[in-house]
Amino acid sequence: AQSVAQPEDQVNVAEGNPLTVKCTYSVSGNPYLFWYVQYPNRGLQFLLKYITGDNLVKGSYGFEAEFNKSQTSFHLKKPSALVSDSALYFCAVRDSVNSGAGSYQLTFGKGTKLSVIP
Amino acid sequence: NAGVTQTPKFQVLKTGQSMTLQCAQDMNHEYMSWYRQDPGMGLRLIHYSVGAGITDQGEVPNGYNVSRSTTEDFPLRLLSAAPSQTSVYFCASKGGGSGNQPQHFGDGTRLSIL
Repeated sequence: AQSVAQPEDQVNVAEGNPLTVKCTYSVSGNPYLFWYVQYPNRGLQFLLKYITGDNLVKGSYGFEAEFNKSQTSFHLKKPSALVSDSALYFCAVRDSVNSGAGSYQLTFGKGTKLSVIP
Repeated sequence: NAGVTQTPKFQVLKTGQSMTLQCAQDMNHEYMSWYRQDPGMGLRLIHYSVGAGITDQGEVPNGYNVSRSTTEDFPLRLLSAAPSQTSVYFCASKGGGSGNQPQHFGDGTRLSIL
């Protein structure tokens, strides 16, 4: 079974400071990991993904994420936060051992609300 | 390119009523899915489809039906609405091939059951 945890319900950071939103996962095989962002009254938007290769993945809007296999983590980072980054962030995972129709299924974390303070 | 379109955006129902939430995508994606989003619970998968004529249950399928007669459309039916189904519903689609493509989400349907 695949699962994902976002240990922080809310993260507050001052504008201009670096931000980190944490994510840990559990899978049987290799993980395929995704980050999505949700702005108020909108659907989820894809930010970045890790499938294989370089552990540091760069995505949209200046975000990046670091895959750490030993710690089973995939933390989202940005060097300098903007007020416009304030949103709800979701981590999601898919297990490489899933097969058939189940291979498409993502498991989402409960979300972390990021507030960037001016 | 409209992406994933959901209608209606808002709906209020009375307990016991039925309704259909519409979802359409114009990206020729094989995979479509329905999620519900509740505070503190993230997104939970209701039903999904890997192509026209093929549907399967997700994590929380009870009280919901789906069908997939075309590639473009994937409606979600509430058979007899209950207050526990008050939620925000999202439809998503994904291209086929590998399971590594990101999902594209609609803007949601906000449903209240009185």
